[in-house]
Amino acid sequence: DVKVTQSSRYLVKRTGEKVFLECVQDMDHENMFWYRQDPGLGLRLIYFSYDVKMKEKGDIPEGYSVSREKKERFSLILESASTNQTSMYLCASIGAGLNYEQYFGPGTRLTVT
Amino acid sequence: GQSLEQPSEVTAVEGAIVQINCTYQTSGFYGLSWYQQHDGGAPTFLSYNALDGLEETGRFSSFLSRSDSYGYLLLQELQMKDSASYFCAVRSESRDSGTYKYIFGTGTRLKVLA
Repeated sequence: DVKVTQSSRYLVKRTGEKVFLECVQDMDHENMFWYRQDPGLGLRLIYFSYDVKMKEKGDIPEGYSVSREKKERFSLILESASTNQTSMYLCASIGAGLNYEQYFGPGTRLTVT
Repeated sequence: GQSLEQPSEVTAVEGAIVQINCTYQTSGFYGLSWYQQHDGGAPTFLSYNALDGLEETGRFSSFLSRSDSYGYLLLQELQMKDSASYFCAVRSESRDSGTYKYIFGTGTRLKVLA
């Protein structure tokens, strides 16, 4: 059974804190993605990675960075959390080539106070 | 820029047929996907169209017209459990890396009434 897991289901942090969100997939997928989901805005791509140590900005990368040191793990980092980063964060992965199905993790609901 | 448009909400009764439309504007288009998301859950893959035409998977079908930059998801024999949000997503080629990225629409909330 394919699986994408995220380190926390719920997280509460204070403004200015550094926040790490971890995502692990067990499908040996090359591509991994971080999205944030807000009501009425759908899923917006923050960053994605197509190989170990390779990353590319999505549509809303400001205030975020990522790390991919191992193929199975993709981390999202909020350098200095702000209240407008309160959101649901979803990680997804997909294999290379003619694979079309993204597999999503359960999400992390982050609240920044 | 890249954008996708879909209706924010659709309501239908059990047993009916409903169509959720998606129009897109994007460069490097490769295909259109559909995902279902129940409240509190993660999105799950429904279908993918790379070529024009209709793809059928059980009660769900998806259509693509590349010349019109348009697609739709058709749900037949609606059931209460189909009440969820449905997202279209464009698979496009990234100019920077040549790899693929996915841009999602804002979602359509489907309410199925008894």
